Amino acid sequence: GIQVEQSPPDLILQEGANSTLRCNFSDSVNNLQWFHQNPWGQLINLFYIPSGTKQNGRLSATTVATERYSLLYISSSQTTDSGVYFCAGDNYGQNFVFGPGTRLSVLP
Amino acid sequence: DSGVTQTPKHLITATGQRVTLRCSPRSGDLSVYWYQQSLDQGLQFLIQYYNGEERAKGNILERFSAQQFPDLHSELNLSSLELGDSALYFCASSVSSDSNPYEQYFGPGTRLTVT
Repeated sequence: GIQVEQSPPDLILQEGANSTLRCNFSDSVNNLQWFHQNPWGQLINLFYIPSGTKQNGRLSATTVATERYSLLYISSSQTTDSGVYFCAGDNYGQNFVFGPGTRLSVLP
Repeated sequence: DSGVTQTPKHLITATGQRVTLRCSPRSGDLSVYWYQQSLDQGLQFLIQYYNGEERAKGNILERFSAQQFPDLHSELNLSSLELGDSALYFCASSVSSDSNPYEQYFGPGTRLTVT
């Protein structure tokens, strides 16, 4: 079956610091997405990134499909970035699988 | 706001009862997905519908069922509820087509508490 792994499981940063979150996935995964789950439980789309690089403000993501990993970069972190970051993917529309998440805490 | 709506936001019920969760997808989206997020199991895919038909099934219990109606809204029915069914239930939608799935947008979730 589809496998999605994330690292690190937990990350504590001081406000203003940069961070890199990693997602490894099995070769049957495509349609990779990154989500942020805020402390209120809401899942927010960050990137739809099956391959290549995208940027949105302080966040950017890169997926290297041939090597089966994706990276999420957060620069100049803010306390509002706190929460859990998930990557997820599916196999051509079948069985969307979430990774276990990286819990980020940004301290003021 | 993702454009996906879910009702109710919170639901408290007793063991053995049956509940129905409702989801309205984004305008134009044909696919609806249901997910369960519990503390011990993480986020798990339950079931997907595309234009009224079941497309994929994940870790959905036999006590749970879903359907998608002609207006594309979907309902998830949970019956014979157990304490372990307490969780956050998400609905997501996407445009989706047979050969080119699109990104999924998630609703705010329904928090179910079974007492």
